[in-house]
Amino acid sequence: QVQLQESGPALVKPSGTLSLTCAVSGGSISSSNWWTWVRQPPGKGLEWLGEVLHSGTTNYIPSLKSRLAISVDKSKNQFSLNLRSVTAADTAVYFCARVTGDRLVFDSWGQGTLVTVS
Amino acid sequence: DIQMTQSPSSLSASIGDRVTITCRASQNIANSLNWYRQKPGKAPNLLIYAASSLQSGVPSRFSASGSGTDFTLTISNLQAEDFATYYCQQAYNTPRTFGQGTKVEIK
Repeated sequence: QVQLQESGPALVKPSGTLSLTCAVSGGSISSSNWWTWVRQPPGKGLEWLGEVLHSGTTNYIPSLKSRLAISVDKSKNQFSLNLRSVTAADTAVYFCARVTGDRLVFDSWGQGTLVTVS
Repeated sequence: DIQMTQSPSSLSASIGDRVTITCRASQNIANSLNWYRQKPGKAPNLLIYAASSLQSGVPSRFSASGSGTDFTLTISNLQAEDFATYYCQQAYNTPRTFGQGTKVEIK
């Protein structure tokens, strides 16, 4: 069973770059799945950020497209998120997840990591 | 972007109750609708995919229906572990938007 684990700094300064990595185990990142990031500000709902295929093809939420980059590292079986020019509004729990099948279900999730911009 | 609107935003219920949550899409999404349950402090968990298909391992007290723009999730015989927040999400196109969530609380 595939497992995902987020890692990265818990605290980022305003105007800095938020960088997170999602390590994939129990499966290959080169499989025919999208790999995605979702965030959740404290006490609020879920927000889909973007996704990447093993080929490097990406889709992003339009509101963050100018600041966001998601990439894949097949040699390390992981994918990453970089969000530039962060503000306090980017404070959230960030989840990585696998998107499976033609129904595009988010069937495996990381535990989430809280990133505070301050 | 496709907007997903859930109702109610919250509800109170007792163990053993039957509850229904609705989700409306701002445009036709066929049956490209998934439902997730999120317990406090945890990642969401897939319950239903393709509007009405029960994910493997999910109890049969969960059911769902709908197509086009209107969808429902029903929980029969509510259990303690079902007190959580539920989200619908459209998988029709990107951005893959979520509803704002429905919190099911203990009465």
